[in-house]
Amino acid sequence: DIQMTQSPSSLSASVGDRVTITCRASQGIRIDLGWYQQKPGKAPKRLIYAASSLQSGVPSRFSGSGSGTEFTLTISSLQPEDFATYYCLQHISYPLTFGQGTKVEIK
Amino acid sequence: EVQLVESGGGLVQPGGSLRLSCAASGFTFRDHYMDWVRQAPGKGLEWVGRIRNKANSYTTEYAASVKGRFTISRDDSKSSLYLQMNSLKTEDTAMYYCARDNGTYLGDSWGQGTLVTVSS
Repeated sequence: DIQMTQSPSSLSASVGDRVTITCRASQGIRIDLGWYQQKPGKAPKRLIYAASSLQSGVPSRFSGSGSGTEFTLTISSLQPEDFATYYCLQHISYPLTFGQGTKVEIK
Repeated sequence: EVQLVESGGGLVQPGGSLRLSCAASGFTFRDHYMDWVRQAPGKGLEWVGRIRNKANSYTTEYAASVKGRFTISRDDSKSSLYLQMNSLKTEDTAMYYCARDNGTYLGDSWGQGTLVTVSS
């Protein structure tokens, strides 16, 4: 199975900060990666697919990059509604596997 | 508007069975792969399994943790997805979400989830 490792596991940031979350795959996954946001008590929401394609309706302050084994999710200017947990997911091979999550908290 | 509504969750004893449903609307259900994803209380997301569309013979994939116990099926005539869960274990306690795929990309739309609690 492909292991997905996110870093950091949590971070504290202020409104307006630039935030970067990293996801590393245990083997190459090309660009078969998505990023998801989950708020407490809510279903996940996809932000990015194919490593860097922005999901329709998602604000442009979110961006994704990377290929192979290292990927990043960047929030260019953190907004109050962005405080949530973020997950990466690889879908190049079964079983599909999520990272452990990164919780973004208010500083 | 795309809508996915799960139902069928509840309290079940270890070793028991439960069938979850996901009613889809607002899109052409038969065209899409569909997935189940779960989340144990206070934990991260775990992919459970996938069913492909008719064009891909309705084939399925499962996580090792549920293979042989869980079965995913669909009824395109009813725009519905199902998860038959047998031989349930306490570690299957979780919120279960259904998700629509676009191509092979998981989850451009998600349901609100249904809670399954396995306990004696």
